[in-house]
Amino acid sequence: GAVVSQHPSRVICKSGTSVKIECRSLDFQATTMFWYRQFPKQSLMLMATSNEGSKATYEQGVEKDKFLINHASLTLSTLTVTSAHPEDSSFYICSAREQNEKLFFGSGTQLSVL
Amino acid sequence: QKEVEQDPGPLSVPEGAIVSLNCTYSNSAFQYFMWYRQYSRKGPELLMYTYSSGNKEDGRFTAQVDKSSKYISLFIRDSQPSDSATYLCAMSAGSARQLTFGSGTQLTVLP
Repeated sequence: GAVVSQHPSRVICKSGTSVKIECRSLDFQATTMFWYRQFPKQSLMLMATSNEGSKATYEQGVEKDKFLINHASLTLSTLTVTSAHPEDSSFYICSAREQNEKLFFGSGTQLSVL
Repeated sequence: QKEVEQDPGPLSVPEGAIVSLNCTYSNSAFQYFMWYRQYSRKGPELLMYTYSSGNKEDGRFTAQVDKSSKYISLFIRDSQPSDSATYLCAMSAGSARQLTFGSGTQLTVLP
């Protein structure tokens, strides 16, 4: 299957700093990428839909100024958690859609804010 | 009522057992159906992908879709301890539509 690379896999940062997470589709072009958040033993919670060359569409309740998404190319989307606080600690996962509807996920990023 | 319902488990079976995982849904527009496997602290991995009703087999895995009953299943034959993971069903109405996920079923296969 297609490969989606996400890094870093784990990041620990101090409260107030910003963290950038990268998501790359390695062997296909992804016009649409998605960002999710997942708490322990819970399912994926869609945060935003990222379309190449346009502004991301955020789900209700997700702060767009807090979670900055950039999708500058067909193979790269980034999520920046700005001024991170302990409550932002979570597992963040990206996914990218192939043209035939299949959705492939990155390996996830565990963010811990101290 | 959620659009997609999935029994969260946990489900525990002995090695070699046949496992049946199920999801029901309410949106008759769903046409694409997927099953993902997620190991702890990893991203979901696509296991099975089917379009419309019918069966699809891949090794020890069989996916079934019954659109008339709005019911999908994933069967795992000869289950192995390495199959222990959370299994997520997902579905969408068509291209450019986002996926709707089930809540996931946690499976443990005991050696």
